[in-house]
Amino acid sequence: EIVMSQSPATLSVSPGERATLSCRASQSVSSNLAWYQQKPGQPPRLLIFGASTRATGIPARFSGSGSGTEFTLTISSLQSEDFAVYYCQQYDNWPPLTFGGGTKVEI
Amino acid sequence: QVQLQESGPGLVKPSETLSLLCKVSGASTTSAYWNWIRQSPGKGLEWIGSIFYSAGAMYNPSLVSRVSISLDTSTNHVSLRLTSVTAADTAVYYCARDSAPGPYYYYYMDVWGTGTTVTVSS
Repeated sequence: EIVMSQSPATLSVSPGERATLSCRASQSVSSNLAWYQQKPGQPPRLLIFGASTRATGIPARFSGSGSGTEFTLTISSLQSEDFAVYYCQQYDNWPPLTFGGGTKVEI
Repeated sequence: QVQLQESGPGLVKPSETLSLLCKVSGASTTSAYWNWIRQSPGKGLEWIGSIFYSAGAMYNPSLVSRVSISLDTSTNHVSLRLTSVTAADTAVYYCARDSAPGPYYYYYMDVWGTGTTVTVSS
């Protein structure tokens, strides 16, 4: 099973600032990595797939990069609606699909 | 648009069987792979398994001895059955659609239900 690790657990930023979230895989997942955003009381929402492709309707301030074992989600200028928990998920080697433990982006 | 709605008992006793339904609206259950994913404070997001109507189901090896996922194409429901539950199975259970049109799969999910909370307790 591929273990996904995210850091930091909590990221404190101010609106308008840049946020950089990290995700690491225990073995290479190529570019088969997705990012999700989850707000309280809501299901996860797909942001990024293929490590760097934005899903439909996702603003350009969200960008993903990386391949192999190291990945980054960048939010270029945080808006109030971006404060949430972000998860990475690998879909290279399954079963099982596996998720990271999440990074909470807070004000 | 495609909507998913999970339903089931909010409370299940230890050692009993958990049964959940996911109602699919706006699409046929034959159109994609369907996943069950759960979320608990202790274990985060955990993929339970997935199913495609003509390919059968695939499960998380950690749950394979207790889990069963099925489709009812006539009623457009996806079902989850988990036997011998313990407190560790307490979680919010989500139904989610694979992003690819069937029979293909990507194994990342673009449509999620709102989730149903299940508590395992006597």
